Amino acid sequence: AQSVTQLDSHVSVSEGTPVLLRCNYSSSYSPSLFWYVQHPNKGLQLLLKYTSAATLVKGINGFEAEFKKSETSFHLTKPSAHMSDAAEYFCVVSLISSGSARQLTFGSGTQLTVLP
Amino acid sequence: ETGVTQTPRHLVMGMTNKKSLKCEQHLGHNAMYWYKQSAKKPLELMFVYNFKEQTENNSVPSRFSPECPNSSHLFLHLHTLQPEDSALYLCASSQVKRLAGVHTGELFFGEGSRLTVL
Repeated sequence: AQSVTQLDSHVSVSEGTPVLLRCNYSSSYSPSLFWYVQHPNKGLQLLLKYTSAATLVKGINGFEAEFKKSETSFHLTKPSAHMSDAAEYFCVVSLISSGSARQLTFGSGTQLTVLP
Repeated sequence: ETGVTQTPRHLVMGMTNKKSLKCEQHLGHNAMYWYKQSAKKPLELMFVYNFKEQTENNSVPSRFSPECPNSSHLFLHLHTLQPEDSALYLCASSQVKRLAGVHTGELFFGEGSRLTVL
């Protein structure tokens, strides 16, 4: 069984300050982990993914995430927030050996607000 | 041209209407999905098609009927819906390795069809 918990449903930051969106997971096996972003009235877009290679993963738009097995975490960070980063962010866990999308578990999402 | 295209983007229908949502992917993928996104709820997987065969039906009511005529097109036929079915319906595609059945988890989503049932 696997699950994913996004610890904050809403995060507000000022433009130019760091962003931290928290994600914890539980999985019986070595998981793959993903962050997706959804802008208003849009579909989800892949930001970055971890698939058992380097634990620090760099994604698009300056985002990165670090896989910490001991803490079962995969937090998303960005050094300096931009107004265009305002969106909803989803953490996703997947069993890499699974052939089924049923094994993709989505978190409930974190709404990021960027203040001018 | 976006990789996954959904039409219509917005749909309003009565409970007795019959309508369809359409999804087309231009990525050469072999798997397609329907997800339901409701306010304040996690994304819900509805249907999965691998190589045009339905492999997942996640306990979805029969008033939702999927159709996958080929690997590039996916439909969701809607009939006698309820107001609680109002949501954003997202289509996605991915590439599954046929022999290993491995799903990498990287989904490509369309922009969704916003459905309102009156």
